[in-house]
Amino acid sequence: NAGVTQTPKFQVLKTGQSMTLQCAQDMNHEYMSWYRQDPGMGLRLIHYSVGAGITDQGEVPNGYNVSRSTTEDFPLRLLSAAPSQTSVYFCASSPRPGLGYTFGSGTRLTVV
Amino acid sequence: AQTVTQSQPEMSVQEAETVTLSCTYDTSESDYYLFWYKQPPSRQMILVIRQEAYKQQNATENRFSVNFQKAAKSFSLKISDSQLGDAAMYFCAYRRATDSWGKLQFGAGTQVVVTP
Repeated sequence: NAGVTQTPKFQVLKTGQSMTLQCAQDMNHEYMSWYRQDPGMGLRLIHYSVGAGITDQGEVPNGYNVSRSTTEDFPLRLLSAAPSQTSVYFCASSPRPGLGYTFGSGTRLTVV
Repeated sequence: AQTVTQSQPEMSVQEAETVTLSCTYDTSESDYYLFWYKQPPSRQMILVIRQEAYKQQNATENRFSVNFQKAAKSFSLKISDSQLGDAAMYFCAYRRATDSWGKLQFGAGTQVVVTP
């Protein structure tokens, strides 16, 4: 039982490059979210989804794109990386949000 | 808009002692969920405890317990008999029950340091 799997664990990008952070869960959870974690700011919601084909923006969506074609996968795309996107990114899933979320192990992204 | 405030950036505790982390939140809702998450140096976010606003009984999970004061909008976490493995960043989180999107809102975190 893998839970929530995020890849890669570390990534360095140059300004302007694009990339996709992968997230997959094998628990058949409908709810999935992407957060970014910055020092002193806790976790901030980027995008979220309540099922395949249904996504919406969170608190800090600019510069990011998501899609949810299957229940299992919820990739996060950085369209044109900027130094301000240097952060740790977490994917999380839940069967029902009142139960809390299961988090992936995170991706540390550095944009130079 | 809801906000979650953790006013203690860092707390230090000796092994076997007790430490209490504070969390306050701002909401006009009456039905919601509150959570405490632990983030050790491994970076993994681990759910420690959850509380439903309509349950008056404070949640307990082994050495972890909460003091939920709904009127005061306060949700503190008590770690009893602290162990070296409790050293981590602890985040308080809020979710409105009527939010069908299931969004969580996090506080800035409290770093717990455990000394031998």
